[in-house]
Amino acid sequence: KQEVTQIPAALSVPEGENLVLNCSFTDSAIYNLQWFRQDPGKGLTSLLLIQSSQREQTSGRLNASLDKSSGRSTLYIAASQPGDSATYLCAVRRGYQKVTFGIGTKLQVIP
Amino acid sequence: DTAVSQTPKYLVTQMGNDKSIKCEQNLGHDTMYWYKQDSKKFLKIMFSYNNKELIINETVPNRFSPKSPDKAHLNLHINSLELGDSAVYFCASSQDGGVSNQPQHFGDGTRLSIL
Repeated sequence: KQEVTQIPAALSVPEGENLVLNCSFTDSAIYNLQWFRQDPGKGLTSLLLIQSSQREQTSGRLNASLDKSSGRSTLYIAASQPGDSATYLCAVRRGYQKVTFGIGTKLQVIP
Repeated sequence: DTAVSQTPKYLVTQMGNDKSIKCEQNLGHDTMYWYKQDSKKFLKIMFSYNNKELIINETVPNRFSPKSPDKAHLNLHINSLELGDSAVYFCASSQDGGVSNQPQHFGDGTRLSIL
């Protein structure tokens, strides 16, 4: 059974800092890993999708890496802004039904 | 121009009632999903529906039944609502084509409260 862990559960940083969010999973037989952000009272916004054959993906100030063999992914946020405050979730996928989410990291960026 | 839209956004009802939540996507995706996010914010997949193939998570009670009138819609019907059904229900879609390698797009959720 796949288990996904996200550390830390909460993070508070001053504006402008670079930061790293961690996601680990127990079963390395995955198709892909997707990072989302969730704002309070809102749905999930897709940030980055990394296929199992890829090692990283970049979008603007975001960079996600994947080390499938060790069951780890990181989301790097450069030059954090108050608008980055949200809960960040990672999800690993294998097949239509086999989608497992982490509990998320709640990020607060202080102006 | 909302990609995945759900209605209603909020649903408050009494225990024992039957209710439906609607979901529509205008992305042309071939696969749709329902997720439940409980009070601890843990997201679990309930159903996926692809080209008329329904895959059910075996932990979902049979009081929950998804209905898909066409590829752009996947509605969720719930019979005999229980207190434990209180949660946020999210609809999502993706273009899978059988390989499950495309990103999922989520709606804003339906907040269901059972009195």
